[in-house]
Amino acid sequence: NAGVTQTPKFRILKIGQSMTLQCTQDMNHNYMYWYRQDPGMGLKLIYYSVGAGITDKGEVPNGYNVSRSTTEDFPLRLELAAPSQTSVYFCASSYSRHEQFFGPGTRLTVL
Amino acid sequence: QKEVEQDPGPLSVPEGAIVSLNCTYSNSAFQYFMWYRQYSRKGPELLMYTYSSGNKEDGRFTAQVDKSSKYISLFIRDSQPSDSATYLCAMSESGNTPLVFGKGTRLSVIA
Repeated sequence: NAGVTQTPKFRILKIGQSMTLQCTQDMNHNYMYWYRQDPGMGLKLIYYSVGAGITDKGEVPNGYNVSRSTTEDFPLRLELAAPSQTSVYFCASSYSRHEQFFGPGTRLTVL
Repeated sequence: QKEVEQDPGPLSVPEGAIVSLNCTYSNSAFQYFMWYRQYSRKGPELLMYTYSSGNKEDGRFTAQVDKSSKYISLFIRDSQPSDSATYLCAMSESGNTPLVFGKGTRLSVIA
């Protein structure tokens, strides 16, 4: 099993550009999550999903959108990128809420 | 007061030392407590999981929860250079609520 995979690994965006961060898991987990991690700030939940077709906002959803059309995929869309969105983004999946399996992360810089 | 407080460190110890990592929290409804380990430029991975109060041991690692003091600890015995990482505490109210993460403590074990 590949676990949780994320693409791209790195990306530089200009202010106002848009992009989609891809996340795929092959563990047949119902729960999937998107977090951002800023230096020294821990993990902040952006959006999460409890199953295909169901998504909900986390702590910091502004400026982001998600969709969940399949169990395996949970893409995160950034519209109108801003410097405040410079961060490391982690996707995670889980069978239960607690043992979350994380992907390797996407490092995003907005200039 | 932040919901979960964790000293960011850095904490530097010699190989073989006993390490104590701690988190305090303010929400008395938290019942599930976790410790995640994150190596540099990697995603977090679950290290220990405890429900309610008490101790849990796994090899060189011991997790303690004191709900009366709203305080959790992770002890690492006979620390190794391979334990050098950032340790994040996380907690939740129930199996259906999102995790709240601490900011993480960066640990270096010097050979």
